[in-house]
Amino acid sequence: DAGVIQSPRHEVTEMGQEVTLRCKPISGHDYLFWYRQTMMRGLELLIYFNNNVPIDDSGMPEDRFSAKMPNASFSTLKIQPSEPRDSAVYFCASSFDGRQYGYTFGSGTRLTVV
Amino acid sequence: DAKTTQPTSMDCAEGRAANLPCNHSTISGNEYVYWYRQIHSQGPQYIIHGLKNNETNEMASLIITEDRKSSTLILPHATLRDTAVYYCIVRVMDTGRRALTFGSGTRLQVQP
Repeated sequence: DAGVIQSPRHEVTEMGQEVTLRCKPISGHDYLFWYRQTMMRGLELLIYFNNNVPIDDSGMPEDRFSAKMPNASFSTLKIQPSEPRDSAVYFCASSFDGRQYGYTFGSGTRLTVV
Repeated sequence: DAKTTQPTSMDCAEGRAANLPCNHSTISGNEYVYWYRQIHSQGPQYIIHGLKNNETNEMASLIITEDRKSSTLILPHATLRDTAVYYCIVRVMDTGRRALTFGSGTRLQVQP
């Protein structure tokens, strides 16, 4: 298996633009997680899905952020409009049954908003 | 979830054992100790977990004290590739009712 695949690896965008980050989980995994990492705040959970249904989105910073999982093999995290403070590394992870030892993370998307 | 305390940073000589401590004095009887690590520019990677007994796998060993108030992750022969941030997490094991949260971890620097 290729693992969790995220795209793009790097994204540079101008303030106010829409940004879409993509994630393909491991086949057969039924949990998908989106995390954000910054120097100041560390690794923060944004939202997670179980069987394509959002379970907890309390970590989503504000209405500018939205996440979808239209099917078991694809998820997007969208920021509209983007702001410089959204600059961070965004990680996607997937898990077979949500057990705490079973998370597999992608390589992340480094987002820079200028 | 029980609060965990880890040193901010540690150094280790290449080829020597790296012993990373974690304090979790308020751990409950049904909470496990999990370790993940994050190598620079990569996502976190699961290492090992345990409840009471010591555990060993191909990556590391986990030693949990008898009172379970602290534990130590041991990398028996550290290499430069083990330079990473190591996260100790204490949680009940459940099937995804809540997602994992990560603290600030210990930054391990393996020196040549």
